[in-house]
Amino acid sequence: GDSVTQMEGPVTLSEEAFLTINCTYTATGYPSLFWYVQYPGEGLQLLLKATKADDKGSNKGFEATYRKETTSFHLEKGSVQVSDSAVYFCAFRMNYGGSQGNLIFGKGTKLSVKP
Amino acid sequence: DAGVIQSPRHEVTEMGQEVTLRCKPISGHNSLFWYRQTMMRGLELLIYFNNNVPIDDSGMPEDRFSAKMPNASFSTLKIQPSEPRDSAVYFCASSLSARGDSPLHFGNGTRLTVT
Repeated sequence: GDSVTQMEGPVTLSEEAFLTINCTYTATGYPSLFWYVQYPGEGLQLLLKATKADDKGSNKGFEATYRKETTSFHLEKGSVQVSDSAVYFCAFRMNYGGSQGNLIFGKGTKLSVKP
Repeated sequence: DAGVIQSPRHEVTEMGQEVTLRCKPISGHNSLFWYRQTMMRGLELLIYFNNNVPIDDSGMPEDRFSAKMPNASFSTLKIQPSEPRDSAVYFCASSLSARGDSPLHFGNGTRLTVT
């Protein structure tokens, strides 16, 4: 069935370190891909999205490229800050078939950035 | 601009009591979702409405749960009777359309504790 697999956390980095959070998906059709971020006590916020193969989504220094051939959408940031500490969710949504309309989430990766 | 508004933010109730969670989606959005988040199970879709009509309620745990969307600007999720295992954070989300490239926008959630 449709699913998202993302690297398990927690991930602990020092400030200014490079971040990669791996995400792969299994989908019965052609999805749009998303990264969401959740800060403590808050709802999920859209971080970035990509809607077709080879698109790169970017926001607040974060980037992810839609790789159809490897069904992946890895999240990267060149230099993390303490304020980036949060839980990050990879997700996809499809127009037709399978889980039509629904947003399929990974289990989330908790990131802690130390000063 | 106002985001998705959920009430109450926190709800503490005793087992057996009825609980009603409320959601106001973003104006103009025609899809609405109810999710539940727990440490053990992560994010689970409970029900999804499109144009006020329930499309997928396969995630509703059992008959104790019911959801309504009487109009485009209001939805409720009711649990009757509540049980301790219903303790979780419940999120409402809305999207502009059912298209796959339309991201979901989440409220800040209702933290439910059933004692």
